[in-house]
Amino acid sequence: AQTVTQSQPEMSVQEAETVTLSCTYDTSENNYYLFWYKQPPSRQMILVIRQEAYKQQNATENRFSVNFQKAAKSFSLKISDSQLGDTAMYFCAFMKGETSGSRLTFGEGTQLTVNP
Amino acid sequence: EPEVTQTPSHQVTQMGQEVILRCVPISNHLYFYWYRQILGQKVEFLVSFYNNEISEKSEIFDDQFSVERPDGSNFTLKIRSTKLEDSAMYFCASSLTGVYGYTFGSGTRLTVV
Repeated sequence: AQTVTQSQPEMSVQEAETVTLSCTYDTSENNYYLFWYKQPPSRQMILVIRQEAYKQQNATENRFSVNFQKAAKSFSLKISDSQLGDTAMYFCAFMKGETSGSRLTFGEGTQLTVNP
Repeated sequence: EPEVTQTPSHQVTQMGQEVILRCVPISNHLYFYWYRQILGQKVEFLVSFYNNEISEKSEIFDDQFSVERPDGSNFTLKIRSTKLEDSAMYFCASSLTGVYGYTFGSGTRLTVV
């Protein structure tokens, strides 16, 4: 079974600064996908960024980028130029890649607060 | 942008009653899911559905739960006899390929009293 661990329950950052959220996972799979989801106060789950395990290049989406270290089973999210709207719970998630439609396994989440 | 729509947004029910949570996935998506999130806890997988049948279910998804896609557009989750511990946010999600990542609905908050 896969496990996903987010060791930072809460973090805060000043507006316009950079923050990094940590995530580690445990799996024996070689083919998998990793995701970061954002859950603002509205509670909707919004996909932030996705990484295929077979790709060495780190994924980037505008101000959001990841540091994917496959050997260390680490998948951190960096948010640059933090904005007030980035305040949310952030979940790291894992999906096996062998079968389409596999479940997502989520971490416990990190509550990020962006301060003005 | 296409959305996954869930209704109702909030439902209160008596313990022991049946509830049906409704979802309209994105129209061309092929994979459908239900997840739940008990307040303050992580998001947990319940069930996935593909080609008109359950493709995977978790240990949470026992005989009290069932899913249906009755008319090709709706995707429902039924809880036959609700318990207090079923109180949670229930999220429906859909995916075209099953590997790109899902689109989640905005959830149904179920409160069992």
